[in-house]
Amino acid sequence: AQSVTQPDIHITVSEGASLELRCNYSYGATPYLFWYVQSPGQGLQLLLKYFSGDTLVQGIKGFEAEFKRSQSSFNLRKPSVHWSDAAEYFCAVNRDDKIIFGKGTRLHILP
Amino acid sequence: EAQVTQNPRYLITVTGKKLTVTCSQNMNHEYMSWYRQDPGLGLRQIYYSMNVEVTDKGDVPEGYKVSRKEKRNFPLILESPSPNQTSLYFCASSPRGLGYGYTFGSGTRLTVV
Repeated sequence: AQSVTQPDIHITVSEGASLELRCNYSYGATPYLFWYVQSPGQGLQLLLKYFSGDTLVQGIKGFEAEFKRSQSSFNLRKPSVHWSDAAEYFCAVNRDDKIIFGKGTRLHILP
Repeated sequence: EAQVTQNPRYLITVTGKKLTVTCSQNMNHEYMSWYRQDPGLGLRQIYYSMNVEVTDKGDVPEGYKVSRKEKRNFPLILESPSPNQTSLYFCASSPRGLGYGYTFGSGTRLTVV
């Protein structure tokens, strides 16, 4: 079955430290890939997306993600996190007529 | 401002009392969808619509209805709500071709007692 896996339910990092959130997908071909962020009490906001071409994509709020076909991964990174980055992050893939979301990774920031 | 508007933001209702959650977008998007979000389960698609008068079931359609009579509106109807439909609901829209990604509404927190 098609699926999106975010292996880490919770991640805690110190403010100013680097961040990497993992995402793996299982599809026969390269789908469209997305990362969304959900701040407490809010809807989801699109951070970045990958269709094709350059495997390193830049998004909003200083985030980037790298697509690795050989690993079926699309990991989200940020060089230096800020307290305002505390939120839940969702990886998603689009195949056919559906967007399927991972179960999310909640990011906690230590001061 | 381009947005997806859901109403109400919060709703507490009793089992069996029909309710409608409205969703409207002002971006002329063809594609609209409803999701529910539950702890530990992530977002699960309830129904989606690729255009006016075209709707299809998502992964968890039981107990829900939708309609798409106009391009901008995509209401979610619970004919006889039950406590297991207590959840956070999101409406989302996208231009034709989901590769653009969704614009989400702010959510509706529904409690069925």
